[in-house]
Amino acid sequence: NAGVTQTPKFQVLKTGQSMTLQCAQDMNHEYMSWYRQDPGMGLRLIHYSVGAGITDQGEVPNGYNVSRSTTEDFPLRLLSAAPSQTSVYFCASSEDREETQYFGPGTRLLVL
Amino acid sequence: AQKITQTQPGMFVQEKEAVTLDCTYDTSDPSYGLFWYKQPSSGEMIFLIYQGSYDQQNATEGRYSLNFQKARKSANLVISASQLGDSAMYFCAMRGNDYKLSFGAGTTVTVRA
Repeated sequence: NAGVTQTPKFQVLKTGQSMTLQCAQDMNHEYMSWYRQDPGMGLRLIHYSVGAGITDQGEVPNGYNVSRSTTEDFPLRLLSAAPSQTSVYFCASSEDREETQYFGPGTRLLVL
Repeated sequence: AQKITQTQPGMFVQEKEAVTLDCTYDTSDPSYGLFWYKQPSSGEMIFLIYQGSYDQQNATEGRYSLNFQKARKSANLVISASQLGDSAMYFCAMRGNDYKLSFGAGTTVTVRA
């Protein structure tokens, strides 16, 4: 199993551009989530999904959209990037919402 | 929202010694889970150990143990026999009844030879 994979590893955007951060898992996990990590802070939950077709907001959802059309994939969309979205983004998955979450390698995003 | 507090921004420990990382939490949920993750300089998040709020015994995983004091709402991580590879950032996290994971700000551990 590849586990949780994220692409790209690093991305530079200009303010106002849009992009999609990809996340995939091959463990047939029902629960998937997106976090952002900023310096001096722990990870903060952006959006999560308890299964295909079901998504919900986390602590910091503004500026981000998600969808879950398959069990395997959970992309995160930035519709109009802002410098405040410069961060490291982590995707995670678990068998279900009660189990331990395992993280992908992260995507480092810089918005100029 | 749940609140997780890690009061030690950074710690130094001598190789082969034990180190305790503090974590306190605030919740009114009757059932919750506590997690510790390690983030080395390479950036990935590595799961270390889990403690359920109803578990009678403290969790252990190899050199990691969790000192769970429910009445004090603390879940300290103990790393025994520290190794140079233990140098990393360590995060405490809690999952409450909403099943969302909340993280503390982290503690940086530096192991000295």
